[in-house]
Amino acid sequence: AQSVTQLGSHVSVSEGALVLLRCNYSSSVPPYLFWYVQYPNQGLQLLLKYTSAATLVKGINGFEAEFKKSETSFHLTKPSAHMSDAAEYFCAVTLIKAAGNKLTFGGGTRVLVKP
Amino acid sequence: EAEVAQSPRYKITEKSQAVAFWCDPISGHATLYWYRQILGQGPELLVQFQDESVVDDSQLPKDRFSAERLKGVDSTLKIQPAELGDSAMYLCASSYPLAQDTQYFGPGTRLTVL
Repeated sequence: AQSVTQLGSHVSVSEGALVLLRCNYSSSVPPYLFWYVQYPNQGLQLLLKYTSAATLVKGINGFEAEFKKSETSFHLTKPSAHMSDAAEYFCAVTLIKAAGNKLTFGGGTRVLVKP
Repeated sequence: EAEVAQSPRYKITEKSQAVAFWCDPISGHATLYWYRQILGQGPELLVQFQDESVVDDSQLPKDRFSAERLKGVDSTLKIQPAELGDSAMYLCASSYPLAQDTQYFGPGTRLTVL
C-alpha cells in the first residue's frame, strides 16, 4: 500500500520569495508521483508528474519538483511566489502497474501569498 | 482543450433525500474515477471504472452509494439516503488506462446535506 505525507497544512510566503512544499511518500514498489493545485471550489489541475525518467521535473507556472529515492521525497518548489499561487496543493502517489491505478493523496498544503 | 464535465456544480439537500451527480469524461478516456473530498482533506477514491466495469469500489459505502457507467462513457454517482456526513466535494476524473497517465479532474459537485 502507498501513502503520502505533506508536512505543513498551511504555508505563508511573501510575494517574490521561495515556495517550498514538502511531500514524503511510502511505497513498496517504485511509484509515480504527482503534484496538483486546487483553487477554491474548483477541481484539481496537474502541475507536474514524475514517471521514472528525469528526477528533476519541471511543471507549469514555474514549479518544479525533485524525486529523491533515498529520502522518499518529492518536494515542490518555485523560486519566486506570485499572488496567483495562492491555492491548495496536493501531492499524490500511484503505483507502477499495467492498468490505471488510483491516486493516493496527501492532506494538502494551503499556500498564502502576502504582498 | 477537452475537459471533464460535471453537474450540478452545487447541490443542497436534506438528509434522507436522494441525490445524483453526473460526469462526462474526456472523449477516449477509458478510465473514470469518482473521488470524495471532505473540506480540508485530500480526495479519496470512491470508485474506479475501466470502460463500463468497476475495477475498484473498495471505499464506496455500498449501503447508500451506487455508481454506474452503463455505456462506458458518462457516469452517475447516487447517494440514497443522504446523511449529514456526506457533505463534501465530489470529484470526477478520467484518464487513459496506464498508471503514468494523467488523471484530469472536473470542477466537482459541492454537496451540502442539511
